Amino acid sequence: EAAVTQSPRNKVTVTGGNVTLSCRQTNSHNYMYWYRQDTGHGLRLIHYSYGAGNLQIGDVPDGYKATRTTQEDFFLLLELASPSQTSLYFCASSGGRAISNERLFFGHGTKLSVL
Amino acid sequence: QQKVQQSPESLTVSEGAMASLNCTFSDGTSDNFRWYRQHSGKGLEVLVSIFSDGEKEEGRFTAHLNRASLHVSLHIREPQPSDSAVYLCTMPNYNVLYFGSGTKLTVEP
Repeated sequence: EAAVTQSPRNKVTVTGGNVTLSCRQTNSHNYMYWYRQDTGHGLRLIHYSYGAGNLQIGDVPDGYKATRTTQEDFFLLLELASPSQTSLYFCASSGGRAISNERLFFGHGTKLSVL
Repeated sequence: QQKVQQSPESLTVSEGAMASLNCTFSDGTSDNFRWYRQHSGKGLEVLVSIFSDGEKEEGRFTAHLNRASLHVSLHIREPQPSDSAVYLCTMPNYNVLYFGSGTKLTVEP
């Protein structure tokens, strides 16, 4: 089973704060994704990457930056956190494109609260 | 525009009764669909994947796909209270995976 590890599991910050969410996968997957989950919206894609140094914009990118420093590590950055970014964040990885029947492997999520 | 629409938003069934969840998608060219389950406070686990029209069974979980009507469903046979969770259907679009908003299933003893 592919391993995707997120940290921290929980984070509380204040409006305007600087937050970095970390994700590491150890299965040599090319694709990594950041989603946020909110009631009534399911999971919405923020950013994704298909390799080190690559970054692609998802459906809800405003207020977020991301960096893929290595094949294993994908970071999500909130430089000026706002209460609207209070959410449950999931990182996922896959070996190939979604269209090619590759399944996603998910981390356990990071619960972020912006006060 | 939501690419994947799920219904109902919530569903309560009695233990042992069939539970049926629905998903309508916007793109008929997609060729693989998955159902995930998420227990409260937990991550996502994949339940069943279906890649062609018809039926795919994985234990008590059966998915039906009809691409002509842009519809995929999930049927849970003999649901248990431990099946109470949020169920999410997904549809790929080239590089990324789109999720429905989820159906919250409650199975009462």
